[in-house]
Amino acid sequence: EPEVTQTPSHQVTQMGQEVILRCVPISNHLYFYWYRQILGQKVEFLVSFYNNEISEKSEIFDDQFSVERPDGSNFTLKIRSTKLEDSAMYFCASSTGAEIEAFFGQGTRLTVV
Amino acid sequence: GQQLNQSPQSMFIQEGEDVSMNCTSSSIFNTWLWYKQDPGEGPVLLIALYKAGELTSNGRLTAQFGITRKDSFLNISASIPSDVGIYFCAGRTYNFGNEKLTFGTGTRLTIIP
Repeated sequence: EPEVTQTPSHQVTQMGQEVILRCVPISNHLYFYWYRQILGQKVEFLVSFYNNEISEKSEIFDDQFSVERPDGSNFTLKIRSTKLEDSAMYFCASSTGAEIEAFFGQGTRLTVV
Repeated sequence: GQQLNQSPQSMFIQEGEDVSMNCTSSSIFNTWLWYKQDPGEGPVLLIALYKAGELTSNGRLTAQFGITRKDSFLNISASIPSDVGIYFCAGRTYNFGNEKLTFGTGTRLTIIP
């Protein structure tokens, strides 16, 4: 069964450092998403991406966040200058764009120290 | 923003018991989804509901999309140990291929041996 893969599974970084979280969406999917889950809380929408552009972003997705599809397979989330409160699980998801639900990856646990 | 209230927050039940949880929203959604999340994993889709009033089953799981499109419930019959985890409802908005999920606050299910 096709799946969304995320790397690394766990990243520890110092406050103020830049991090890049990587995702390989399902190959025939066209829409890509990042969600965040702070420990013990609900999953929150960050951003959706289609045709090399951001389609929608939440108020969480401020100027320190950016997304990119650098090649035909990867989809990345960059956090420019990490803060302690950025510590969370980050989930990538992808969908075909038809009314079929997106598939989620296993997540990257980001710990900012 | 859109808010989904999920109840109960947690449940402690004995193996074999039935479980019921529900979700209410201040907004109307096109689709209601129910996910299960195991520790350290991404959300896994259990059931998707597309039409108001729809009642759908998936094995021991049954879910309904409320007539007003602002609520949904999930029932699990004859619970087993592998049902342990956190269950999230999610309301989905869909716009020209782009989707956005708004997640509920989660119900943590614990099964007492």
